[in-house]
Amino acid sequence: QVQLVQSGAEVKKPGASVKVSCKASGYTFSNYGLSWVRQAPGQGLEWVGWISTSKGNTSYTQKFQGRVTMTTDTSTSTAYMELRSLRYDDTAVYYCARDRIAMASFDRWGQGTLVTVSS
Amino acid sequence: DIQVTQSPSTLSASVGDRVTITCRASQSISSWLAWYQQKPGKAPKLLIYKASHLQGGVPSRFSGSGSGTESTLTISSLQPDDFATYYCQHYNSFSRTFGQGTKVEIK
Repeated sequence: QVQLVQSGAEVKKPGASVKVSCKASGYTFSNYGLSWVRQAPGQGLEWVGWISTSKGNTSYTQKFQGRVTMTTDTSTSTAYMELRSLRYDDTAVYYCARDRIAMASFDRWGQGTLVTVSS
Repeated sequence: DIQVTQSPSTLSASVGDRVTITCRASQSISSWLAWYQQKPGKAPKLLIYKASHLQGGVPSRFSGSGSGTESTLTISSLQPDDFATYYCQHYNSFSRTFGQGTKVEIK
């Protein structure tokens, strides 16, 4: 069955970087893009950006431009999202989601990774 | 950028009620809209894609409609499992923008 399994919770200090992984299984990794979405405590969903798993093209929300990098390792069907210069308001659950361009939607989601920024 | 506004932000309803949630965009989004359900502590779940297509495994009491700048999600007869938060999402080549969410509470 299709699964996206994310890495575990992280605690980081302000100014540090975090790299979250998302390992896909149960489907051909390069056939679907991957998006990253975050959700601050008690808040709504916020799209961070997207990566083409076949070509490596990326598209980031302007808010995160310059601070986020999305990459993939097709040999292990794993996607990564690195966020740098962390601030307190980056504290959130970060989700990866399988991005179906033809269906204009995210049909599978990872379980989420809590990133806490605290001094 | 296209702005997406969801309403209401909170909705109180009873089991068996017909419930409608609306998503309005700042410009035409055609049918490039999806709806998700999220329960506390869980990842969102896709309900509807391309405005009106029911995702596999989703109960038929959920339906989506609309085009242009307005889309709606309807739950024909609210069930106990449906109390959750619902999000619409506009999808285009450059962005995937979520609405602010609608929390469906027990009346």
